Amino acid sequence: GQQLNQSPQSMFIQEGEDVSMNCTSSSIFNTWLWYKQDPGEGPVLLIALYKAGELTSNGRLTAQFGITRKDSFLNISASIPSDVGIYFCAGLSGANSKLTFGKGITLSVRP
Amino acid sequence: GAGVSQSPRYKVAKRGQDVALRCDPISGHVSLFWYQQALGQGPEFLTYFQNEAQLDKSGLPSDRFFAERPEGSVSTLKIQRTQQEDSAVYLCASSPKGDYLGLGVGELFFGEGSRLTVL
Repeated sequence: GQQLNQSPQSMFIQEGEDVSMNCTSSSIFNTWLWYKQDPGEGPVLLIALYKAGELTSNGRLTAQFGITRKDSFLNISASIPSDVGIYFCAGLSGANSKLTFGKGITLSVRP
Repeated sequence: GAGVSQSPRYKVAKRGQDVALRCDPISGHVSLFWYQQALGQGPEFLTYFQNEAQLDKSGLPSDRFFAERPEGSVSTLKIQRTQQEDSAVYLCASSPKGDYLGLGVGELFFGEGSRLTVL
């Protein structure tokens, strides 16, 4: 089945640093979404990407839809303590309606 | 409220019991999804409704799992004869779009989830 690969599983950065997260797949996706999940909460949408090559920003967040449609990255600039959480990439292939999620990256920010 | 609402937030069941989890999507949202999230994993698709029609149930792990959305709004996920491996967070998500072109519905808005623990 379709799989999205996110690594590493955990990242530790200093407050104020920038961080970049990658998501790759062997399958093509038509839509890429990045979600953040806090403990005990549901995932919250950060950025949605609908077109290959698209670069979209949302405040300190920037995400890109890879040209091959098999990858996406998320950048967080000038990290702050509330950026702590689990970041999931998710993709829609168009072959069906279901969103496929990666396993997530747990981000820790040291003050 | 304005968001997706799920209840109960926490459920502890003895092995073999039946459970029912409820989802109230955002008003007017056409699409409704159920996902299962095991500890330390990403959400895994269970089933998809477009209005009252269950268009995809390919992710339901066994015939003990059953979902319905009879009036195209509130949905219930029922798990019969619960097993320990059913322990997980069950997430409901909705979207204002329907998948009329087979291209997906884009962004999903998730509820806080129902955490099921089976003893």
